[in-house]
Amino acid sequence: AQSVTQPDIHITVSEGASLELRCNYSYGATPYLFWYVQSPGQGLQLLLKYFSGDTLVQGIKGFEAEFKRSQSSFNLRKPSVHWSDAAEYFCAVGARRGGADGLTFGKGTHLIIQP
Amino acid sequence: KAGVTQTPRYLIKTRGQQVTLSCSPISGHRSVSWYQQTPGQGLQFLFEYFSETQRNKGNFPGRFSGRQFSNSRSEMNVSTLELGDSALYLCASSLSRGSPDTQYFGPGTRLTVL
Repeated sequence: AQSVTQPDIHITVSEGASLELRCNYSYGATPYLFWYVQSPGQGLQLLLKYFSGDTLVQGIKGFEAEFKRSQSSFNLRKPSVHWSDAAEYFCAVGARRGGADGLTFGKGTHLIIQP
Repeated sequence: KAGVTQTPRYLIKTRGQQVTLSCSPISGHRSVSWYQQTPGQGLQFLFEYFSETQRNKGNFPGRFSGRQFSNSRSEMNVSTLELGDSALYLCASSLSRGSPDTQYFGPGTRLTVL
């Protein structure tokens, strides 16, 4: 069965500093990987996704993520954070169609931005 | 194009009651999935519907059920509510099932069971 680990429950970053959120996955084949963001009281917004090809993917709001098969990781990065980036971030792995489990999410990382 | 819509946004029920939540997918999307989000368990997959048929189901009791209509709108039902059913219920739609696809989420329905 697939699984996702986000080791950091909370991360505090100063506004303007760089950010890296960690994500490790377990899946038996090449995974489909996603990063979503959730603001308080809201649904999930897709930041970026990896299906195949170039291992460095660009997303919205200046985010990028790099797929590293050897490390089973899909870390999210942003060179300079803004106060509006404060939110909950979820990494998810998707089964290939025909699989049974939908998206499997990590527990999330709560990002706090210090002024 | 309008996003995924969910109604109602908030619900308060008491134990033992049943509840029905509704989800309208993005126009043209034929697959609808439901997720439960709680502080303790995080985001968990409930089930997926495509072409009015349940295709996949997560590890939830039979009190949780759903259906999909010919216009791809979906409903989920929870019978005999328990306190532990208090959660944010998220609906997601995607274009199809035939290839790697992206799920787009609605704002959720916040269910409180008293």
